[in-house]
Amino acid sequence: QVQVVESGGDVVQPGGSLRLSCAGSGFTFSNFGLHWVRQAPAKGLEWVAVISNDGNIKYFTDSVKGRFTSSRDNSKNTLYLQMNSLRVEDTALYYCAREAAGYDFDIWGQGTMVTVSS
Amino acid sequence: QSALTQPASVSGSPGQSITISCTGTSSDVGGYNLVSWYQQHPGKAPKLIIFEVNKRPSGISTRFSGSKSGNTASLTISGLQDEDEADYYCCSYAGTSSYVFGGGTQLTVL
Repeated sequence: QVQVVESGGDVVQPGGSLRLSCAGSGFTFSNFGLHWVRQAPAKGLEWVAVISNDGNIKYFTDSVKGRFTSSRDNSKNTLYLQMNSLRVEDTALYYCAREAAGYDFDIWGQGTMVTVSS
Repeated sequence: QSALTQPASVSGSPGQSITISCTGTSSDVGGYNLVSWYQQHPGKAPKLIIFEVNKRPSGISTRFSGSKSGNTASLTISGLQDEDEADYYCCSYAGTSSYVFGGGTQLTVL
């Protein structure tokens, strides 16, 4: 079964840090780019970041540049999102999504919740 | 990067057809034939239903179709069914490996 499973969400204070993980299975992990997409409570989807299949190319949405980094360990079939200097507005359900060949997201996890609050 | 513009809500009766629009700019929707659509039921992860403007992934009903004209993409659902009631999001490639989503449209089946 092709799937990705996120973990690592938690409640953290403003200014704090958190690392999310996304484990892939059922497919050749190293062949696919991976994205992070977030959804604030009762809000729409927001694209956050992408990392290429080999981890060498990374892009981030403007609001998280300089605060979030992403990496992957293809030997462990795992993607990471390191979030620093967290803000209240980063509160959201964070999804990991696999990039299909057509610049779209064909496999999504169930998400992991990040709450930034004092 | 501003979000793509979608109507907040649309509705239709079972068996009818509805269309959801998604308006962007020449830097995203109008610049690439790389618009995708996602269906999201409450408490569930998004599901890909249309990619590359008008292509359906395997297993997606032919009742779902997509199109694009200029800076506006559209999703049409024909033969509405109760299970189509969900939120729908468009997404476009926006260059330099970045993407932009629409604000989402809530579909109500009356």
